[in-house]
Amino acid sequence: KAGVTQTPRYLIKTRGQQVTLSCSPISGHRSVSWYQQTPGQGLQFLFEYFSETQRNKGNFPGRFSGRQFSNSRSEMNVSTLELGDSALYLCASSLPLTGAANEKLFFGSGTQLSVL
Amino acid sequence: AQSVTQLGSHVSVSEGALVLLRCNYSSSVPPYLFWYVQYPNQGLQLLLKYTTGATLVKGINGFEAEFKKSETSFHLTKPSAHMSDAAEYFCAVSPPYNQGGKLIFGQGTELSVKP
Repeated sequence: KAGVTQTPRYLIKTRGQQVTLSCSPISGHRSVSWYQQTPGQGLQFLFEYFSETQRNKGNFPGRFSGRQFSNSRSEMNVSTLELGDSALYLCASSLPLTGAANEKLFFGSGTQLSVL
Repeated sequence: AQSVTQLGSHVSVSEGALVLLRCNYSSSVPPYLFWYVQYPNQGLQLLLKYTTGATLVKGINGFEAEFKKSETSFHLTKPSAHMSDAAEYFCAVSPPYNQGGKLIFGQGTELSVKP
């Protein structure tokens, strides 16, 4: 079974631009979560989607948004990029059949975004 | 609010030595606790998790962790380190009423293994 796939692997953008990152979950997984990883702030939760609905949201500004499609694939968008948005963006998928909080997350390798 | 504290951002051990990575959490309700590992240029992989039941949890690659409610700790151990264990390790807690997907991570501990 293929793992979580994130594209692209690397991105370089300039301040003020917008960017869209893509995540394909493991087949059959219906929940997709997004995390931002930086050396200073560590791993921070962005949002989670289940059956095309955002169920959980972290403490990020509205410039960060996401969506999920009917095939469970997800995209996240960052508008008006700032230097501080440079980070590794990780996507994770899980079943969960009942929205259980103890479900194992399967992570992709991430998209490394550099904002110049 | 829940939080996770990992003591020591860098830990170095010799091959064959005991590995001990410390994690303390704060939670107003019984938590779900996790340890994840991240190898260079890769995503995170679940090592083990505690939900309910037995407080000593065994995971993959010979790692185990013990949930101690009185100490609010969930330390990760491995009796004998291997060179392939060199990676970054993250302790995480699942917030109450979490419908899924949201974890609160500690800052991570980078483990180095010397030959």
